[in-house]
Amino acid sequence: EDQVTQSPEALRLQEGESSSLNCSYTVSGLRGLFWYRQDPGKGPEFLFTLYSAGEEKEKERLKATLTKKESFLHITAPKPEDSATYLCAGIKAAGNKLTFGGGTRVLVKP
Amino acid sequence: NAGVMQNPRHLVRRRGQEARLRCSPMKGHSHVYWYRQLPEEGLKFMVYLQKENIIDESGMPKERFSAEFPKEGPSILRIQQVVRGDSAAYFCASSPIDNEQFFGPGTRLTVL
Repeated sequence: EDQVTQSPEALRLQEGESSSLNCSYTVSGLRGLFWYRQDPGKGPEFLFTLYSAGEEKEKERLKATLTKKESFLHITAPKPEDSATYLCAGIKAAGNKLTFGGGTRVLVKP
Repeated sequence: NAGVMQNPRHLVRRRGQEARLRCSPMKGHSHVYWYRQLPEEGLKFMVYLQKENIIDESGMPKERFSAEFPKEGPSILRIQQVVRGDSAAYFCASSPIDNEQFFGPGTRLTVL
């Protein structure tokens, strides 16, 4: 069965304290790995798609990387506005449905 | 350029009533997806539609749930005879062809 697992479940950081979120997956025939940000009461906001091992993408303080078994979301010098739940999801080569992990709740304190 | 629109944002129904959730995809997007987020659980795929076609409904409960995406108008997720366990946030996403999926703000369904 396809599975996406995120760790840790929750992360408390001081402003400026860099850290990494992990997303491990067992999705047969994976075509891509997506990262989203979700604020309370809102829909997921698209951040990145990674398609091949070794690929990296950056946006402001966020950088996503992909290996054959897992993906990392690095948050560099976070600010309080980076507080959110970060979701990763895999998509198979056949079909378009996303399989989501449980998310990592990030709280950045000033 | 408006994003994915969903309405209503909040919907309250009594047990046994019907719930209709609407989704208008982003301009130029011909693929629509519905996901459900139960309290304290992750997002789960329900159904994938293109105009007038259901492509994948492997995540839809077998009874009471149906979805459509007509040639004109929004996509509709319909839940008949709602039960308390249907209370959840329902999210619609859209994409151009088979690329990144962009999500709407969701409809929060409460069943009394």
